[in-house]
Amino acid sequence: QKEVEQNSGPLSVPEGAIASLNCTYSDRGSQSFFWYRQYSGKSPELIMSIYSNGDQEDGRFTAQLNKASQYVSLLIRDSQPSDSATYLCAATMDSNYQLIWGAGTKLIIKP
Amino acid sequence: EAGVTQFPSHSVIEKGQTVTLRCDPISGHDNLYWYRRVMGKEIKFLLHFVKESKQDESGMPNNRFLAERTGGTYSTLKVQPAELEDSGVYFCASSSGLAGQPGTGELFFGEGSRLTVL
Repeated sequence: QKEVEQNSGPLSVPEGAIASLNCTYSDRGSQSFFWYRQYSGKSPELIMSIYSNGDQEDGRFTAQLNKASQYVSLLIRDSQPSDSATYLCAATMDSNYQLIWGAGTKLIIKP
Repeated sequence: EAGVTQFPSHSVIEKGQTVTLRCDPISGHDNLYWYRRVMGKEIKFLLHFVKESKQDESGMPNNRFLAERTGGTYSTLKVQPAELEDSGVYFCASSSGLAGQPGTGELFFGEGSRLTVL
């Protein structure tokens, strides 16, 4: 059973601090990795995608991928209350482009 | 440009009844996916259409679920007869290329249809 694992949280971070979200995956052949943000009752929206080892930065967001450790992380700098949401990690299966999802980490940014 | 739209947003039915969920993908997106999320659990893949063809329906739980995408535009997901364990949020998503594919595989989600079976 191929899986993506996330800590369900909630993860509480003070405003202005760095929020660090982590995700591990079991399929060593996974090639593409994604972080989606979902506000309560709303649709998931893509915030970061990463395909190769290392860091990828977009504004306040940095995705980090370590294929040897099968580990993906998302860093949010200068956290804002509007960042409070559930963050979903997803990875493609080796055999096709079907996405496997983690259960999500609930992030709370405290003013 | 309109996003992915789903209808209804919430449906409450009794066990044994039938429900049909509808999804209108982003215009021009050939790839359409149905997912389901049970409370507290991960999003689970149900099936994938490329235009009007079912590309992968390996995630469909059983033959009580029937999905169609006539003409390669909107899609419907029918549950007949509904059981208690079918409760959850059903998400539809569309993409230009295959989901996860670099460049064209960004998935755009609808807000989901919450199904409650009593």
